[in-house]
Amino acid sequence: EPEVTQTPSHQVTQMGQEVILRCVPISNHLYFYWYRQILGQKVEFLVSFYNNEISEKSEIFDDQFSVERPDGSNFTLKIRSTKLEDSAMYFCASSYSGGARNQPQHFGDGTRLSIL
Amino acid sequence: AQSVTQLDSQVPVFEEAPVELRCNYSSSVSVYLFWYVQYPNQGLQLLLKYLSGSTLVKGINGFEAEFNKSQTSFHLRKPSVHISDTAEYFCAVSIQGAQKLVFGQGTRLTINP
Repeated sequence: EPEVTQTPSHQVTQMGQEVILRCVPISNHLYFYWYRQILGQKVEFLVSFYNNEISEKSEIFDDQFSVERPDGSNFTLKIRSTKLEDSAMYFCASSYSGGARNQPQHFGDGTRLSIL
Repeated sequence: AQSVTQLDSQVPVFEEAPVELRCNYSSSVSVYLFWYVQYPNQGLQLLLKYLSGSTLVKGINGFEAEFNKSQTSFHLRKPSVHISDTAEYFCAVSIQGAQKLVFGQGTRLTINP
């Protein structure tokens, strides 16, 4: 069964540094998402991406964050000038469609981001 | 805004016993409902979903859930659990027309031999 793959599995970064989290969605999927889960808290939606632009974002997704689909297969989340509170598990997800006939989102195994 | 409440943070049960994991949601519009499972050190895997139609939904690994609109609930059940069902279970909703999933806090299911 096709999978969403995320790299790296664990990223350790100094506070203030930029970090890029990478995801390879399922190949025929058209909608891409990032979620995060701070330790002990809920999984929270960050952003959705379709047709090379952001289609929906949460209040968490401020100017510090950006997403990109640099080629036909990768989907990245960039965090500029990381803060301690950015430490979390970041999940990438993809779905074939979104919106009115909501197709299930398939999740990767996550990247654990630790900010020191 | 939508919200999801999973009433139990932890549920310990004995192997082969039945289990019910509770989920309630609030929304002013129609929703789609999902249960995801997270095994240790893995991502979120879809167990089952309710989009429309029959309120009793069957999923993978012998799980089922029932949508109750009047009680705004979507409880997950399994008649007989196995050690391998030890995991964290997340209930999630999305509203029709939107893309994001709103998750509950998760319920950690522990199976004792």
